Amino acid sequence: QKEVEQDPGPLSVPEGAIVSLNCTYSNSAFQYFMWYRQYSRKGPELLMYTYSSGNKEDGRFTAQVDKSSKYISLFIRDSQPSDSATYLCAIPRVLTGNQFYFGTGTSLTVIP
Amino acid sequence: NAGVTQTPKFQVLKTGQSMTLQCAQDMNHEYMSWYRQDPGMGLRLIHYSVGAGITDQGEVPNGYNVSRSTTEDFPLRLLSAAPSQTSVYFCASSYNRLRGGYEQYFGPGTRLTVT
Repeated sequence: QKEVEQDPGPLSVPEGAIVSLNCTYSNSAFQYFMWYRQYSRKGPELLMYTYSSGNKEDGRFTAQVDKSSKYISLFIRDSQPSDSATYLCAIPRVLTGNQFYFGTGTSLTVIP
Repeated sequence: NAGVTQTPKFQVLKTGQSMTLQCAQDMNHEYMSWYRQDPGMGLRLIHYSVGAGITDQGEVPNGYNVSRSTTEDFPLRLLSAAPSQTSVYFCASSYNRLRGGYEQYFGPGTRLTVT
């Protein structure tokens, strides 16, 4: 079983829709969870950083962690065409936190 | 801050040629890493460094060398390029947050084609 698994998509939604992006993970000791956004032909950029369980909100973006299910989600409200990108979840390793497990990414297209 | 910078942006090599991909960061981050990104395979760690003078192998190190003589620079060397090394290469730097955990920042990438 891979440490982090992510629905690859692709996902296509109309502008204004609520988008849900998801990852599952295997190790209950993971504590920190990140979401990156990667535009086409660009490097990943850090979007959200959460610790332990619960929700964190930043504008139209909400990151949610459910440690009981080992499930992390990124919600995008009022999605915009500029949100079209690939979204990757990432989790720092437990013993060597400067190394990370990455999901394979979910490609999102928001149609105007 | 420029963040993490990489050069070149694009490169075409012939099989057997060698080259160095440059990476620099100006955030004084202790940790630096090199990844390759291939369709359907996500980001895979090639080599990483936990400080100047200290490097170690990631999950796909064969065919690549690194060194880290300064905090800022972390070049990746392809010893004898092979078509299997056609990929997009990302350099990243990371630091230990005071609040716990690590944050990692990526460069813009180098798109390499080996013919």
